[in-house]
Amino acid sequence: GAVVSQHPSWVICKSGTSVKIECRSLDFQATTMFWYRQFPKQSLMLMATSNEGSKATYEQGVEKDKFLINHASLTLSTLTVTSAHPEDSSFYICSATPGLAGPDTQYFGPGTRLTVL
Amino acid sequence: GDSVTQMEGPVTLSEEAFLTINCTYTATGYPSLFWYVQYPGEGLQLLLKATKADDKGSNKGFEATYRKETTSFHLEKGSVQVSDSAVYFCALNYGGSQGNLIFGKGTKLSVKP
Repeated sequence: GAVVSQHPSWVICKSGTSVKIECRSLDFQATTMFWYRQFPKQSLMLMATSNEGSKATYEQGVEKDKFLINHASLTLSTLTVTSAHPEDSSFYICSATPGLAGPDTQYFGPGTRLTVL
Repeated sequence: GDSVTQMEGPVTLSEEAFLTINCTYTATGYPSLFWYVQYPGEGLQLLLKATKADDKGSNKGFEATYRKETTSFHLEKGSVQVSDSAVYFCALNYGGSQGNLIFGKGTKLSVKP
């Protein structure tokens, strides 16, 4: 089946620094990638949707200047958490789909645990 | 707004026990309903789905029936195995829209031999 990887799987950083998380589709071209966030004991929440070569669409309440998303190629999307603070500590999950399709063909990465000290 | 509520975990069962993980939803329209499973160290995988009322989704021995009258989509399996140990997420989506899955909090299942 289709595989999506994330790197790193976990990261610890100091408050005020920036952290980049990569999401790669390993065996298919992802026209659309999604970024989710899950706080402890909470649901996964969609942060943004990105299409290759265009600007990401952010969900209401998500700061686009803080969570920079780049989808420069059909196999790679990056999420950069700028000036991270402890409240940004969370589990970040990406998913990718090979076309304009619904959740049946949305393939998820294993997630990245971010801890901001 | 739309939401999904699933039972709190963790759930610990012995092998061959019967499993039920409850899921209820609140929706303004008529969503499709999904169960995803996340095995340790892996990404979420679609386990089963149902797109309209009274539909039954099934896969790998798991079943869930779309109950409009009770707004529920409970996950069941008659005999669990150790390999079923994972986190299970209930979700809803309005068909045709990209992504936009609304998830429950997830329920961790541990099956002991």
